[in-house]
Amino acid sequence: NAGVTQTPKFQVLKTGQSMTLQCAQDMNHEYMSWYRQDPGMGLRLIHYSVGAGITDQGEVPNGYNVSRSTTEDFPLRLLSAAPSQTSVYFCASSYSSPWTGGSDTQYFGPGTRLTVL
Amino acid sequence: LAKTTQPISMDSYEGQEVNITCSHNNIATNDYITWYQQFPSQGPRFIIQGYKTKVTNEVASLFIPADRKSSTLSLPRVSLSDTAVYYCLQAGSYQLTFGKGTKLSVIP
Repeated sequence: NAGVTQTPKFQVLKTGQSMTLQCAQDMNHEYMSWYRQDPGMGLRLIHYSVGAGITDQGEVPNGYNVSRSTTEDFPLRLLSAAPSQTSVYFCASSYSSPWTGGSDTQYFGPGTRLTVL
Repeated sequence: LAKTTQPISMDSYEGQEVNITCSHNNIATNDYITWYQQFPSQGPRFIIQGYKTKVTNEVASLFIPADRKSSTLSLPRVSLSDTAVYYCLQAGSYQLTFGKGTKLSVIP
């Protein structure tokens, strides 16, 4: 098992550019999430998915778009990059819900470090 | 809205027991507490999870008092390899809130 994989590891964008951060998992997990991690802020939830075809917003969704066409993949799209989106982005997956009773363990990918100039 | 608060940093000597406490504002009945460990340039990794009282696994213990307004991660006899950032997570009732992390430095 590769677990949760993310590409690219590093990316530099100019303001206004768009790009897609890729995330894939091979554990047949239904639940997948995207987080951003900023210094002194911990991890904040951007978007999440409870299964193929179903997505919803987290705490900080503005400027990001997601889709879930397969169980394995959960890409995150930056529509028009802004310097405020400079951050480290983590994708995570779990077998069952990480936020209802009986909270399940999340498995995190290695992260994508994004810089927007 | 849930808010979790934990110390920014802690230092400890090798071989000592380390306790990191997280306070949980507005914890709901269905919320679980989970602790993660993160090394530089890696994603967080699950350590332990609990609902109340005490949970122990092969690497740590988790103490949650009856009022559940705090949780304490206990690492027995830390080594240099335990130097990392530790996050508490309060999750349940369709909300999910990470603390800002405690940077643990283990000193030889």
